[in-house]
Amino acid sequence: DVKVTQSSRYLVKRTGEKVFLECVQDMDHENMFWYRQDPGLGLRLIYFSYDVKMKEKGDIPEGYSVSREKKERFSLILESASTNQTSMYLCASSWTSTRTSSYNEQFFGPGTRLTVL
Amino acid sequence: QKEVEQDPGPLSVPEGAIVSLNCTYSNSAFQYFMWYRQYSRKGPELLMYTYSSGNKEDGRFTAQVDKSSKYISLFIRDSQPSDSATYLCAMSTRVYSSASKIIFGSGTRLSIRP
Repeated sequence: DVKVTQSSRYLVKRTGEKVFLECVQDMDHENMFWYRQDPGLGLRLIYFSYDVKMKEKGDIPEGYSVSREKKERFSLILESASTNQTSMYLCASSWTSTRTSSYNEQFFGPGTRLTVL
Repeated sequence: QKEVEQDPGPLSVPEGAIVSLNCTYSNSAFQYFMWYRQYSRKGPELLMYTYSSGNKEDGRFTAQVDKSSKYISLFIRDSQPSDSATYLCAMSTRVYSSASKIIFGSGTRLSIRP
């Protein structure tokens, strides 16, 4: 079974703190993703990575950075946490499709609920 | 206008009913149409996907895509209390390039009453 784990289920931080969210997958997936999930807005892509040390901005990268030093690990960094970054953060991973008609499922971790006070 | 619109619900139906969940979209380039199910305090998991248009059936679940109307549906037959979850539609253009992204709907919360 594919397993995506996230370092914390719940996290409470103060405004201005530097926050690290860690994600590890055990299936040798090339692609890894960070989303945030907010009521009424669904999942929004923050950053994704398609290879070690490679990253691309998603739809809402402002205020975030990422790091992928090893294939199995993808970290999301909030350089200076703000209250509007209070959210559920979901990590996902997938293989890269090689066939047009084939969709490579994104496997999600359980999420980290971050509260910034 | 959002690229993908989904009625947030909540939707509450009695056990055994047929459930219909829907999404509309605006980007005619979408080719991959997915339904994810998310239980409380868990991450989403893929339920079904369809490439291009048409229907796909898997047990009690049927996914339909109507590209001419830019409308997708998920039908659940003989609904069970274990089907209670949030259902997210998702769509993508290309999934075999580094630039591919998935656009998710906001999710419909479904509750099946015993």
